[in-house]
Amino acid sequence: EAEVAQSPRYKITEKSQAVAFWCDPISGHATLYWYRQILGQGPELLVQFQDESVVDDSQLPKDRFSAERLKGVDSTLKIQPAELGDSAMYLCASSPGLQSPLHFGNGTRLTVT
Amino acid sequence: GQQVMQIPQYQHVQEGEDFTTYCNSSTTLSNIQWYKQRPGGHPVFLIQLVKSGEVKKQKRLTFQFGEAKKNSSLHITATQTTDVGTYFCANRPPDSSYKLIFGSGTRLLVRP
Repeated sequence: EAEVAQSPRYKITEKSQAVAFWCDPISGHATLYWYRQILGQGPELLVQFQDESVVDDSQLPKDRFSAERLKGVDSTLKIQPAELGDSAMYLCASSPGLQSPLHFGNGTRLTVT
Repeated sequence: GQQVMQIPQYQHVQEGEDFTTYCNSSTTLSNIQWYKQRPGGHPVFLIQLVKSGEVKKQKRLTFQFGEAKKNSSLHITATQTTDVGTYFCANRPPDSSYKLIFGSGTRLLVRP
């Protein structure tokens, strides 16, 4: 079964440094999501793409976070500068369309020291 | 966004006992999805409910959508250790850009 690929699996960085995460969705999936999940909580949507366009980024802290999906396929989420409170699991998901169920990747666990 | 409340936050059962988690909203939901996240894993889609009063079954799992479409439940009959994990409900608010909002989840532990 096709999977959503994410890298790296783990990332440790110092506060004020820049960090980037990469996601390759399931082939043919037009919709791509970035979620942040703090331990013990549900996933929180950061940004949603339909093809290469941002559909929703209302919860993305735009002063430090940016996301792109230039060719409508893979995507990168960047944090600059990282803060201690950014420590969390960053999950990427994709779906065939806007109303379809989500397929999640294994996530990137970020620790900011 | 439309908030859904999940209860209980946490439940510890003896293997073989039943388990139910509830998802409640103060407003009408257009649809509800359920996901399971194993410890250390990522959320995995289980089911989607759309119709008022809808009931769907997957082996020992029974999913219900309330008549008023303001609540949903997931019931597991005779739990097994493989059922351990966190169960999330999620919904797409009708006035949103199709974003999927997750509840806070119910963590299930099963004593063997």
